Amino acid sequence: AQKITQTQPGMFVQEKEAVTLDCTYDTSDPSYGLFWYKQPSSGEMIFLIYQGSYDQQNATEGRYSLNFQKARKSANLVISASQLGDSAMYFCAMREENYGGATNKLIFGTGTLLAVQP
Amino acid sequence: ETGVTQSPTHLIKTRGQQVTLRCSSQSGHNTVSWYQQALGQGPQFIFQYYREEENGRGNFPPRFSGLQFPNYSSELNVNALELDDSALYLCASSLVLAGHETQYFGPGTRLLVL
Repeated sequence: AQKITQTQPGMFVQEKEAVTLDCTYDTSDPSYGLFWYKQPSSGEMIFLIYQGSYDQQNATEGRYSLNFQKARKSANLVISASQLGDSAMYFCAMREENYGGATNKLIFGTGTLLAVQP
Repeated sequence: ETGVTQSPTHLIKTRGQQVTLRCSSQSGHNTVSWYQQALGQGPQFIFQYYREEENGRGNFPPRFSGLQFPNYSSELNVNALELDDSALYLCASSLVLAGHETQYFGPGTRLLVL
């Protein structure tokens, strides 16, 4: 069965520093996608970044990058130059990349609460 | 701004009642998924609709049901509410982007069952 593990319940980081949020996953499917979402206190889940299991390079989106280590089944999120507005809950999620009508449901981890300090 | 909206934002119900939550996604998003997020947990998949048909279901009882309409709106219905149904309910619409689907979420509906 698919599973996402986020072992850091909470993290502190100083403004302008980089921070890494850990995510490990478990799946027997050869084709899958990994996502990171940000959830502020308002509740909306904001899509940050995506990594496909066959992608050769690590995904980057502005200040966000995904450190994808397939052999170790890890997909850590790196946020560079942290800002106060980055304070939020961060969720790692996985989806089987089954086409042909299969359900594209997301499996989420339990999240990491990031607090950026001035 | 994802363009996905949900209503109402907050709702209080009592045990045994029925509730309908609504979601409106952007034109062109032909898939909508619903998730339940209990306090302190990650979202749990309830079900997904593709072109108005249910296209997969998570581990939720039949009293959780849904509809998707041709105008890209959808509903989540929950009958015989239980205290454990108190949660944030999120809908997400899907858009194929660069060869894969990314789910874009709405702001959620916070349901409290007393």
